[in-house]
Amino acid sequence: KAGVTQTPRYLIKTRGQQVTLSCSPISGHRSVSWYQQTPGQGLQFLFEYFSETQRNKGNFPGRFSGRQFSNSRSEMNVSTLELGDSALYLCASAVRGRASRNEQFFGPGTRLTVL
Amino acid sequence: GQQLNQSPQSMFIQEGEDVSMNCTSSSIFNTWLWYKQDPGEGPVLLIALYKAGELTSNGRLTAQFGITRKDSFLNISASIPSDVGIYFCAGAYSGAGSYQLTFGKGTKLSVIP
Repeated sequence: KAGVTQTPRYLIKTRGQQVTLSCSPISGHRSVSWYQQTPGQGLQFLFEYFSETQRNKGNFPGRFSGRQFSNSRSEMNVSTLELGDSALYLCASAVRGRASRNEQFFGPGTRLTVL
Repeated sequence: GQQLNQSPQSMFIQEGEDVSMNCTSSSIFNTWLWYKQDPGEGPVLLIALYKAGELTSNGRLTAQFGITRKDSFLNISASIPSDVGIYFCAGAYSGAGSYQLTFGKGTKLSVIP
């Protein structure tokens, strides 16, 4: 079974631009979560999508948004980029079929650098 | 919000030694997960724990879900060079539709051959 895939792997943008990152979950997984990883703050939860609906949202500004398609693929968008948005953005997929099972499987991440 | 304290922050050990690391939370979780991350890659799930007191092994790795539901421990026995990396604990409480992981800051493990 193929793992979680994320594209692109690397991105360089300038301040003020916007960016869209893509995530394809493991086949059969319907939940996709996004995390931001930085050396200072560690891994922080951005949001989770399940059945094309945002289910949970972390403490990030509205410039961070996402969506999920009917095939469970998800995109994350960051508008008006700031230098502090430079980070590794990780996508994780999960079955989400049983309330007691929270196993999330991560993709390799997209390394975003904002200049 | 929820806080996870993971310790130690870093460890330098000799090959063959055993390793212990732990996480404590200010809140109760009903799931504890342990991940390992190599440079430039995403975290890889090592062990998942779902019940207070549960002890689970995966090869040389053993993890326990604390009985207070606010802590978890990971042990690595007979360390080898490929154990090098950053280990993260993550807790989750799935209730009322909530399904997000809270991560510790990680334990960076270095193994001296």
